Amino acid sequence: EAAVTQSPRNKVAVTGGKVTLSCNQTNNHNNMYWYRQDTGHGLRLIHYSYGAGSTEKGDIPDGYKASRPSQENFSLILELATPSQTSVYFCASGDEGQISNERLFFGHGTKLSVL
Amino acid sequence: AQKVTQTQTSISVVEKTTVTMDCVYETRDSSYFLFWYKQTASGEIVFLIRQDSYKKENATVGHYSLNFQKPKSSIGLIITATQIEDSAVYFCAMREGWSNNRIFFGDGTQLVVKP
Repeated sequence: EAAVTQSPRNKVAVTGGKVTLSCNQTNNHNNMYWYRQDTGHGLRLIHYSYGAGSTEKGDIPDGYKASRPSQENFSLILELATPSQTSVYFCASGDEGQISNERLFFGHGTKLSVL
Repeated sequence: AQKVTQTQTSISVVEKTTVTMDCVYETRDSSYFLFWYKQTASGEIVFLIRQDSYKKENATVGHYSLNFQKPKSSIGLIITATQIEDSAVYFCAMREGWSNNRIFFGDGTQLVVKP
């Protein structure tokens, strides 16, 4: 079964501090995604990646950077964290090239609180 | 405008009945892919079922099926013989085109199945 692991599971940060959320997948998927989920909202796309070395902006990229140093790892970086970035963050992987088996596999989420 | 819209915020049903959750989408692409995901109370998000726009037959997996109405840009999720454990938040999602890997999610519908 495909596996996506996020770390940490919970994080408390201070305003203005730097936060790095990590994601690792063992699915050998080309595509990886970072979403945030807020109460009353669905999953909103922050950044995504087509493969190692690539990052693309999603719908709400402001205040976030992403890094894809390898096929397996995709990080989300908050250089100057703000309270508005308090949320639950989900990482996902998928390989849309495999149309017959296309789907996203999600990590368990990271709950981030910025105080 | 949102690409994927779920107008039902919450639905409550009695177990063993059938429930339909609505979803409408917006796209200019002739080919697109539609998905439903389930988020359990623990926060886990799992893939349920998928419909490819070029397929006329409605997808079915177990007690999940889809009502794909292309002229109405609508993809309803039907759950038959509901069980208590079907209680969750259900998300509709869409990917446009063959090479675009961005996936848009709706805001979700909370389903409560009561005994």
